[in-house]
Amino acid sequence: EVQLVQSGAEVKKPGESLKISCKGSGYNFTNYWIAWVRQMPGKGLEWMGIIYPGDSDTKYGPSFQGRVTFSADKSISTAYLQWSSLQASDTAIFYCARQTDYSSSSRTINWFDSWGQGTLVTVSS
Amino acid sequence: DIQMTQSPSSLSASVGDRVTFTCRASQSISKYLNWYQQKPGKAPKLLIYATFSLQNGVPSRLSGSGSGTDFTLTITSLQPEDFATYYCQQSYSTPYTFGQGTKLEIK
Repeated sequence: EVQLVQSGAEVKKPGESLKISCKGSGYNFTNYWIAWVRQMPGKGLEWMGIIYPGDSDTKYGPSFQGRVTFSADKSISTAYLQWSSLQASDTAIFYCARQTDYSSSSRTINWFDSWGQGTLVTVSS
Repeated sequence: DIQMTQSPSSLSASVGDRVTFTCRASQSISKYLNWYQQKPGKAPKLLIYATFSLQNGVPSRLSGSGSGTDFTLTITSLQPEDFATYYCQQSYSTPYTFGQGTKLEIK
């Protein structure tokens, strides 16, 4: 069974750093992109970007480029999302998700077929 | 970036009803459209990928259609477990944007 298990809830102060994790099991972790998705309180889903654990290739959404960093340790099947200086506006639930790709004749199609349970990050002074 | 717009924002229906959700892309995305369901306090769940394909375990009363810029998710014979928020998402080009969601409520 494919599973993504995320680290627990965090409460931080503005300006602090943070690294949350997403551990995959039940599949070859290095062969699938991992996506990060933000959900601010009472709001919808926002695609933050993706990382390929096999070679740590990353793609960031424009709203998140320079604000967060994705990393992965394929030896322990874990992806990370980190901030160097949190702001109150970073308060949200963050989900990781496995991206499954299918290559058709023209381009690759993909979807998020397994999700972590989410990590609530609260940033407050 | 490709903008995804869902309508309506909310919808009230009864058990047994047929409902249709609409998702429109700001430019053609061919068939690269996925649908997710999210219940309160839970992670999203994949329902349909590549416009038409039902994810394993998803009941056949759900179906997807469309191409280009206009897409629909249809649920026939609503069941109590279907009341949730539904999101579309394009996977044509990064950033893989989501629609703002449609909340399906019990009438």
